[in-house]
Amino acid sequence: KQEVTQIPAALSVPEGENLVLNCSFTDSAIYNLQWFRQDPGKGLTSLLLIQSSQREQTSGRLNASLDKSSGRSTLYIAASQPGDSATYLCAVRKGGGSEKLVFGKGTKLTVNP
Amino acid sequence: SQTIHQWPATLVQPVGSPLSLECTVEGTSNPNLYWYRQAAGRGLQLLFYSVGIGQISSEVPQNLSASRPQDWQFILSSKKLLLSDSGFYLCAWSTTVAEAFFGQGTRLTVV
Repeated sequence: KQEVTQIPAALSVPEGENLVLNCSFTDSAIYNLQWFRQDPGKGLTSLLLIQSSQREQTSGRLNASLDKSSGRSTLYIAASQPGDSATYLCAVRKGGGSEKLVFGKGTKLTVNP
Repeated sequence: SQTIHQWPATLVQPVGSPLSLECTVEGTSNPNLYWYRQAAGRGLQLLFYSVGIGQISSEVPQNLSASRPQDWQFILSSKKLLLSDSGFYLCAWSTTVAEAFFGQGTRLTVV
């Protein structure tokens, strides 16, 4: 059974700092991995999707990497801003084209001005 | 472009009352559709998913059911709500193995 863990559960940083959020998964046979952002009381916003054959994806100040063999992904946020404050979730889709996404519990990020 | 609509945004219902939450998707055909529940400290729990009209897979035994009467429509229902059904319900869609997109969620409080 696939399990996804995100560490730390919460993170507080000053504005401008570069930071890394971690995601680990127990079964390396994944099809893809997706990072989401969730603002309080809102739905999930997709940030980045990494296919299993890819090592990283970039969008603006965000860079996500994937090391499938070790069961790890990181989300790097450069020059953090107060508007980046949110909960960040990662989810993996099982290999073989499974319809299911398995989520971690998320990292709650607070960027202080 | 594709859009997903979910309503209502908030709902307060008494114990024992029925429930119907609706989710619709525009701009895509034959999407996979999902219902998730998010409870504090427990993360996102997959409740149901559907790969086509009338095709529903249930992930956990519970007081809820789902239906997909149209390709673009996914409904979450209950005949009698329990206190434990309270939570934040999220609908999502994706093509078979690609990126997943979520609605804005429904906050359900059972009192």
